[in-house]
Amino acid sequence: SQKIEQNSEALNIQEGKTATLTCNYTNYSPAYLQWYRQDPGRGPVFLLLIRENEKEKRKERLKVTFDTTLKQSLFHITASQPADSATYLCALDITGRRALTFGSGTRLQVQP
Amino acid sequence: GAVVSQHPSRVICKSGTSVKIECRSLDFQATTMFWYRQFPKQSLMLMATSNEGSKATYEQGVEKDKFLINHASLTLSTLTVTSAHPEDSSFYICSAPDAGTSARNEQFFGPGTRLTVL
Repeated sequence: SQKIEQNSEALNIQEGKTATLTCNYTNYSPAYLQWYRQDPGRGPVFLLLIRENEKEKRKERLKVTFDTTLKQSLFHITASQPADSATYLCALDITGRRALTFGSGTRLQVQP
Repeated sequence: GAVVSQHPSRVICKSGTSVKIECRSLDFQATTMFWYRQFPKQSLMLMATSNEGSKATYEQGVEKDKFLINHASLTLSTLTVTSAHPEDSSFYICSAPDAGTSARNEQFFGPGTRLTVL
């Protein structure tokens, strides 16, 4: 069966450091992978999408890499801030219908 | 960016009653909307795909007679939880892809509806 794992349930880092979150998937070859941010009691907010033919994508302090051989995506937040504290979800369109299958999420806490 | 709203944001009901949740795309048309459910400390799980003008598609294990979906217009999908029970208590979230961003494949999510069944 399809499986998407985010190997850290929680990650605590100091302000200013780089946060690195991992997303691994099995039994699938996605055309693209997405990362979302979710704050408590809110819906997810789209951050970045990376396609299978892209190795890396950046947006401001965010960077995503995509290794289709390892079946892994890394999500980096540089110069982290307390406001970055949230749960980060990776997601794949496994069905091809644009419906998303989400990883379990990593709860990031940035300490001031 | 595209905005999706949900109403109500929070609802508490008695066991056995039915609850309707609305999902609206405010500034774009959505022929397809998705309904997700999220239990505490878990990730979002796709429940069903709502298709404008046709029947919804339900994921395995989701009872279509319990979770009624209606997508009567290009901007509105409703999810009705019929004869709700405490185990239906959850956070229900809808999403829609903006046709204008179809090449980017990003989804726009509503703020969610917290359902508590007593």
